[in-house]
Amino acid sequence: NAGVTQTPKFRVLKTGQSMTLLCAQDMNHEYMYWYRQDPGMGLRLIHYSVGEGTTAKGEVPDGYNVSRLKKQNFLLGLESAAPSQTSVYFCASAQGDTQYFGPGTRLTVL
Amino acid sequence: KQEVTQIPAALSVPEGENLVLNCSFTDSAIYNLQWFRQDPGKGLTSLLLIQSSQREQTSGRLNASLDKSSGRSTLYIAASQPGDSATYLCAVRITGTASKLTFGTGTRLQVTL
Repeated sequence: NAGVTQTPKFRVLKTGQSMTLLCAQDMNHEYMYWYRQDPGMGLRLIHYSVGEGTTAKGEVPDGYNVSRLKKQNFLLGLESAAPSQTSVYFCASAQGDTQYFGPGTRLTVL
Repeated sequence: KQEVTQIPAALSVPEGENLVLNCSFTDSAIYNLQWFRQDPGKGLTSLLLIQSSQREQTSGRLNASLDKSSGRSTLYIAASQPGDSATYLCAVRITGTASKLTFGTGTRLQVTL
């Protein structure tokens, strides 16, 4: 069992570039989440999904889009990256009360 | 809007000491509360989960308590070890919110030899 994996681990973008972060889980969990973690602000929920084909906005969704075409994958897209999106991005999955987190993606936008 | 606060932001203690980390939340209508551990450059690992109907949970040297009416939770670590050094985050789940969590900003703990 790999649990929750995220690719890539690190990425540097220039302002205006686009990219997609991939989250994959092999635990057959229904719920998946994308968070960002910034210094002094804790983790904030960007988008989440309660099942294949469904997505919903979290606390800070602006500038991001998501897709959940397959149950095991949850993609986070940045269409036009901005320096304010420099952060560490965490994906999590859950079945019931416990969320299982991936190792994170460190994104820098110059 | 639920707000979760953790005090102190950082804590340094000598090995062997017992310590308490604090978490407070503004909306008492919670479904449960979790404590997580985060090591530098890593993801989060769930340590303890307390349902809203429970008062405390224990796992080894860790004990978490919950006082919903006052909006407080504490994480007690007994006989601290250098391996306990990490950031500890609490998170609350609001009733009926698709398991969404609201996180505190964390307490960075360092246990010195």
